[in-house]
Amino acid sequence: DTAVSQTPKYLVTQMGNDKSIKCEQNLGHDTMYWYKQDSKKFLKIMFSYNNKELIINETVPNRFSPKSPDKAHLNLHINSLELGDSAVYFCASSHSTTGRGHMFFGSGTQLSVL
Amino acid sequence: GQQLNQSPQSMFIQEGEDVSMNCTSSSIFNTWLWYKQDPGEGPVLLIALYKAGELTSNGRLTAQFGITRKDSFLNISASIPSDVGIYFCAGSPNAGGTSYGKLTFGQGTILTVHP
Repeated sequence: DTAVSQTPKYLVTQMGNDKSIKCEQNLGHDTMYWYKQDSKKFLKIMFSYNNKELIINETVPNRFSPKSPDKAHLNLHINSLELGDSAVYFCASSHSTTGRGHMFFGSGTQLSVL
Repeated sequence: GQQLNQSPQSMFIQEGEDVSMNCTSSSIFNTWLWYKQDPGEGPVLLIALYKAGELTSNGRLTAQFGITRKDSFLNISASIPSDVGIYFCAGSPNAGGTSYGKLTFGQGTILTVHP
């Protein structure tokens, strides 16, 4: 069973479109994240949710809107996609009090905006 | 914001060689983590360090939490082809864990191992 699963694995779309990436974790964690990895492999936090509440929002354009329907899911919706949004997006989860830094990542969604 | 400088950026080594990489920070971190990313996958935690001076091993991997709390080192002994990947250091200002994702990642070290 995959611990953190995100779909789709690949997403190719035109500029201006709206798209969503879904993420689910079956680890019982209370905190979920979205990270962006650019072409130079740099990993940067975008959002963090704890118990469905937004904790971190790191200067991300408001075209990006995360939604957490429950503790096990954190989806990412992106409006009006731009060329610069092309990257690999990783979902991750951890337990805020007992996790001791053990953040589990999904396998990533490679987004290509044409 | 906090930044981590990770070096080297890339390494090309022969199978069997030992590897060292390090991370330095301009500010103090109370948790240091080392991750490995295989192609097409997400990062996977290798070693977590929670105490200044701590030295922790995981098989052929050994990592140390610098005494100043501003650096960390990862060593891989007797490298094998499956060690290929990107290694990331990550630091948190909070003791004992990620604390809602306040993890800062280094730029990564790309490791290539020639058989």
